[in-house]
Amino acid sequence: AQSVTQLGSHVSVSEGALVLLRCNYSSSVPPYLFWYVQYPNQGLQLLLKYTTGATLVKGINGFEAEFKKSETSFHLTKPSAHMSDAAEYFCAVSLTGNQFYFGTGTSLTVIP
Amino acid sequence: KAGVTQTPRYLIKTRGQQVTLSCSPISGHRSVSWYQQTPGQGLQFLFEYFSETQRNKGNFPGRFSGRQFSNSRSEMNVSTLELGDSALYLCASSLGGGSTDTQYFGPGTRLTVL
Repeated sequence: AQSVTQLGSHVSVSEGALVLLRCNYSSSVPPYLFWYVQYPNQGLQLLLKYTTGATLVKGINGFEAEFKKSETSFHLTKPSAHMSDAAEYFCAVSLTGNQFYFGTGTSLTVIP
Repeated sequence: KAGVTQTPRYLIKTRGQQVTLSCSPISGHRSVSWYQQTPGQGLQFLFEYFSETQRNKGNFPGRFSGRQFSNSRSEMNVSTLELGDSALYLCASSLGGGSTDTQYFGPGTRLTVL
């Protein structure tokens, strides 16, 4: 079975500090990996995705993530947090058939 | 291009009733997926439709059903509502429904079951 684990349901960082949101997956085959962000009362918005090729993926709003097959990880980072980054972040994997498996989410708080 | 729209945005029902939620995908998108989002469980996949056919189904009871019309609009139905069905129901559309396709999410329908 495929699963996605997001370590830390709540993460707090100071404005300007590094953001690191962790995601590990379990899959018997290399998956496709995604990070989505959800702002209050809104749907999910794609931040970035890894399909093939370069393992360091850059997304919107200064976020990036690195696919590490040996560690089965796809952690999301941003060098400097901004107040507007406060939101819920979801890691997801997909295999075949457009069926996505989401993690339980990490709520990011940015402290001024 | 207009985004994914979902109606209604908020819904209050009582146990035992049934409910129908609607999703209009982005123009040109043929795949529509439905998810249930709850605080404890996160997002759980309900089902996916492509060209009016259900291609994938998650692990939900038969009370949850859906359909897709020829214009790609989709509806999901929950019969005999239970308190545990209270959740945010999200719809997502994508172009061809491939595993690497970006899914575009609607704002969701907040269902409260009393």
